[in-house]
Amino acid sequence: GQQLNQSPQSMFIQEGEDVSMNCTSSSIFNTWLWYKQDPGEGPVLLIALYKAGELTSNGRLTAQFGITRKDSFLNISASIPSDVGIYFCAGQVDYNTNAGKSTFGDGTTLTVKP
Amino acid sequence: KAGVTQTPRYLIKTRGQQVTLSCSPISGHRSVSWYQQTPGQGLQFLFEYFSETQRNKGNFPGRFSGRQFSNSRSEMNVSTLELGDSALYLCASSLYRGHTEAFFGQGTRLTVV
Repeated sequence: GQQLNQSPQSMFIQEGEDVSMNCTSSSIFNTWLWYKQDPGEGPVLLIALYKAGELTSNGRLTAQFGITRKDSFLNISASIPSDVGIYFCAGQVDYNTNAGKSTFGDGTTLTVKP
Repeated sequence: KAGVTQTPRYLIKTRGQQVTLSCSPISGHRSVSWYQQTPGQGLQFLFEYFSETQRNKGNFPGRFSGRQFSNSRSEMNVSTLELGDSALYLCASSLYRGHTEAFFGQGTRLTVV
């Protein structure tokens, strides 16, 4: 089945630093989603990407849909302590036939040191 | 606007028992998907419901089933529980099929002993 390789697995950074993480796949996705999950909570949608090459921002977060449709990147600028959590990428192949079925990466655990 | 509500939040069951988990989607949302989250396997898709019909199914055994009611509320059932079924079960709702942005509930933490 489809798999997403998300890296890095974990990151330990200083407050104020920028963060980059990415997801790659051997197959094409037509939608990329980025989520953040806090302990004891469900994932919260951060950014949704629908077109190859698309670059979308949400505050200090910026995500890009790779040109090949096989990868996506998430950047967080000027990290703050509340950015701590697990970040997941998710891909969807065809929203008409596979609506609701997202393939998730294994997550990047972010720790921010004050 | 209330978010996705999952009940119960925590559950402890014994091997061989069955369990039913409930999900109330965001008001107006008609599509509900279920996921299993474990440390070893990550987030894995279980099934998706829309208009009271299962539209999509992941690679889980038949012990895992679900249904959706006319008010879009959904339940999932796991029969003959195994230790490996211990996981966080997450429900996500979206406006309709084809709307990719899903909103997750807090999940139900199931422990099988």
